[in-house]
Amino acid sequence: AQSVTQLDSHVSVSEGTPVLLRCNYSSSYSPSLFWYVQHPNKGLQLLLKYTSAATLVKGINGFEAEFKKSETSFHLTKPSAHMSDAAEYFCVVSDRGSSNTGKLIFGQGTTLQVKP
Amino acid sequence: NAGVMQNPRHLVRRRGQEARLRCSPMKGHSHVYWYRQLPEEGLKFMVYLQKENIIDESGMPKERFSAEFPKEGPSILRIQQVVRGDSAAYFCASSPWSLAGGSYNEQFFGPGTRLTVL
Repeated sequence: AQSVTQLDSHVSVSEGTPVLLRCNYSSSYSPSLFWYVQHPNKGLQLLLKYTSAATLVKGINGFEAEFKKSETSFHLTKPSAHMSDAAEYFCVVSDRGSSNTGKLIFGQGTTLQVKP
Repeated sequence: NAGVMQNPRHLVRRRGQEARLRCSPMKGHSHVYWYRQLPEEGLKFMVYLQKENIIDESGMPKERFSAEFPKEGPSILRIQQVVRGDSAAYFCASSPWSLAGGSYNEQFFGPGTRLTVL
C-alpha cells in the first residue's frame, strides 16, 4: 500500500528566508508524487509533479522538489519565501496498487506561516 | 477552458436532510474523483467514476452516500439523512486519464463544497 507522511504539521519562516517542507513516502511501486497547495477556503492547486523523469522537479512560483529513492523522500523547497506562500501544502502519491485507478493519497498537510 | 466547477460552494443542512453536491468536470474530461476533507485533516478519496460507471468506491461510507456520473450533466454526490459528522469540505477532481504511458494522471480540482450540518 502507498502512503505519504508529512513530517511537520506546521512550519513558520520569515519572508525572504528558505522554505523546507518535508515528505516521506512509502510505495511498493515506482511512485508518482505531487505537491498541492491549498489557500484558505480555496481549492487545490498543483505545484509540481514527479513521474519517473528527472529527480529534481521544478514547479510554479519558484518551488521545487527532489525525489530521493534511497531516502524515500520528496521534500518541497523554495529559496525565498513570500507572504503569498502562506497556505496549506499537501504531499500526495498516486495509487498504483492492484486497482491502479489513479486515486490520490494525501498526507496530513503542512501549514506554512510566513512572517513579515 | 473553464476549470472544474462545483456547486453549491456552501451548503447548510439540518440533521436528517439530504445533501446533493454537483461537479462539472473540465471540458473533455470523462473521469471524476470525489474527495472529502474533514476538519484539520487531509483529503481522503471517496469514489472514482467514469461516464455512467462507478469504477472504485472503496472510500465511500457503506450507508447514506452515493455517487453518479450520468452520460449527460454533472457528477452528483448524494448524502442521505445527513449527520453532524458529515460536515466537511467535499472536493471533486477531473482527469483526462490516458492509459498511454502508464498510470500517471493529473487531477484538476474544483473549489469544493463546504457542507455544514446543523
